[in-house]
Amino acid sequence: NAGVMQNPRHLVRRRGQEARLRCSPMKGHSHVYWYRQLPEEGLKFMVYLQKENIIDESGMPKERFSAEFPKEGPSILRIQQVVRGDSAAYFCASSPLKGSDQPQHFGDGTRLSIL
Amino acid sequence: AQTVTQSQPEMSVQEAETVTLSCTYDTSENNYYLFWYKQPPSRQMILVIRQEAYKQQNATENRFSVNFQKAAKSFSLKISDSQLGDTAMYFCAFMNQGGSEKLVFGKGTKLTVNP
Repeated sequence: NAGVMQNPRHLVRRRGQEARLRCSPMKGHSHVYWYRQLPEEGLKFMVYLQKENIIDESGMPKERFSAEFPKEGPSILRIQQVVRGDSAAYFCASSPLKGSDQPQHFGDGTRLSIL
Repeated sequence: AQTVTQSQPEMSVQEAETVTLSCTYDTSENNYYLFWYKQPPSRQMILVIRQEAYKQQNATENRFSVNFQKAAKSFSLKISDSQLGDTAMYFCAFMNQGGSEKLVFGKGTKLTVNP
């Protein structure tokens, strides 16, 4: 059973470009969470999605960041007009349903570097 | 809002010895879950152990055990018979039952196991 798949593992962008990070949840998982980890910090929640719905985006910056989880295909975290401060590791986690009996399973993360 | 505090930025232990990592949290909720995650140099996020707040019995997973003190809002991790492969960042995390069930992480403790 494949785990949570994130790609790319590493992404380099120049300031002002767009970054697209992909997350394919574990098979049978319909809940996706995105977290950001700045250097020397813990993970911080960004957004929680179910298929075709954003449930909680309280951790998302108000500008330049967006997320989606379409009916078909992976969840996408999109960062427009990237700046140096967006350099971080972005982790996706999935769970099969809401309820803490099913802990979130994490992907290996995408390391985003802004030149 | 919930907060998680890990007061030990770094710790070290000799191989085969025991070490305890501290974690405190703040919440007004009564139903919640607590987790310890391990992040080795590979940067994966690996679930080590989980504790349900309504359970008085401390969780145990092989060499890993917790000391959960609900009244004190304390959740420490004990690693027995430390191994070189235990070298990693360790993050304490809180999840409120209900709502979006996002994870709230502490800043982490860097554990080094010395041969």
